[in-house]
Amino acid sequence: SQTIHQWPATLVQPVGSPLSLECTVEGTSNPNLYWYRQAAGRGLQLLFYSVGIGQISSEVPQNLSASRPQDRQFILSSKKLLLSDSGFYLCAWSERGNQPQHFGDGTRLSIL
Amino acid sequence: TQLLEQSPQFLSIQEGENLTVYCNSSSVFSSLQWYRQEPGEGPVLLVTVVTGGEVKKLKRLTFQFGDARKDSSLHITAAQPGDTGLYLCAGWGNSGYALNFGKGTSLLVTP
Repeated sequence: SQTIHQWPATLVQPVGSPLSLECTVEGTSNPNLYWYRQAAGRGLQLLFYSVGIGQISSEVPQNLSASRPQDRQFILSSKKLLLSDSGFYLCAWSERGNQPQHFGDGTRLSIL
Repeated sequence: TQLLEQSPQFLSIQEGENLTVYCNSSSVFSSLQWYRQEPGEGPVLLVTVVTGGEVKKLKRLTFQFGDARKDSSLHITAAQPGDTGLYLCAGWGNSGYALNFGKGTSLLVTP
């Protein structure tokens, strides 16, 4: 069966510091991968999606970037964090577009 | 952007009560998905509705997709404390990759 892992579960970072959040999927090949941000337990906003290695699409302009160095690895990064980057970050995968998405347990990011 | 509006935002009921939450849009969706999210965890897919007028049942949960495929509802019969969580509806955007989420209904079921 397929599983998705995100880490770390929680992270506290100072303003201006770099960020790297990692997500890996097991049990499937060439999945679509997604990064979402959720504010205050409400709806999810899609940040990035990827349909293959090295292929990244951004849905909203922001201080963050994403990379997919391997088929089942998706990384969310920032060179300098802002206070507004605080939130709950969720990684998800699907077999392909228009298919149900399956989420990891998220990373709670707090910026001080 | 195809917006999904969910109502009510918050709902607090006692165990054993019935409830319905709604997901509405002015846009037509090819399908809608319902998720439940517990605090500190990722959303878990409950169901996908595809056909206008479709009704799907998942134990005590009944999901309906509107005839025009612009709205959906979730009805819970005899709610239990384990039903507590954030219920999110989501539909595919025009790109086919962006899943548009509503802001959710936060449900609290007390014993």
